[in-house]
Amino acid sequence: GNSVTQMEGPVTLSEEAFLTINCTYTATGYPSLFWYVQYPGEGLQLLLKATKADDKGSNKGFEATYRKETTSFHLEKGSVQVSDSAVYFCALRKNNDMRFGAGTRLTVKP
Amino acid sequence: DAGVIQSPRHEVTEMGQEVTLRCKPISGHNSLFWYRQTMMRGLELLIYFNNNVPIDDSGMPEDRFSAKMPNASFSTLKIQPSEPRDSAVYFCASSLFPAGLNTEAFFGQGTRLTVV
Repeated sequence: GNSVTQMEGPVTLSEEAFLTINCTYTATGYPSLFWYVQYPGEGLQLLLKATKADDKGSNKGFEATYRKETTSFHLEKGSVQVSDSAVYFCALRKNNDMRFGAGTRLTVKP
Repeated sequence: DAGVIQSPRHEVTEMGQEVTLRCKPISGHNSLFWYRQTMMRGLELLIYFNNNVPIDDSGMPEDRFSAKMPNASFSTLKIQPSEPRDSAVYFCASSLFPAGLNTEAFFGQGTRLTVV
């Protein structure tokens, strides 16, 4: 079946450090891929998405590229801020089946 | 639009009691998802509906759990009888799903359930 595997956390970085959170997926065909972010006490919010191979999703300085050959959608940000501290979820959607990774908790220290 | 609305935000109940969680999807959305989030298992898909019809309930943990969608603007997730291991945050999400398109899901704020 469809599934997502993402990097185990927690991840702790200093402000302005480079961030990478790895995500790989298993699915037939070409699913759409997403990164969601969850701030404390809130629901998940869409951060960025890509709907076909080689697409790059970007938002708020975050980027991820849909790599069909490696079935990956790694999240990157060049310079993190304290306000980026949250839990990040990688997700895929194939038809109406939407699956999420386990989530990676990011803490950014000043 | 106010987004996906879930109620209650918090629920504390005693073991053995019936619990009903409610969700109002975004107007016009025709797909609705129920998820459960715990530290141990992460975010689990319990069930999803298309056009008010349950499509896949394979994630429902056991017969104590049931979900309904009587119309396009309302869904319930019921646990009867509840057990302490059901304690979790339950999220409802909705999306558009025309055939052939994959779009993102929009999440509610969640219901934090504690069964004591």
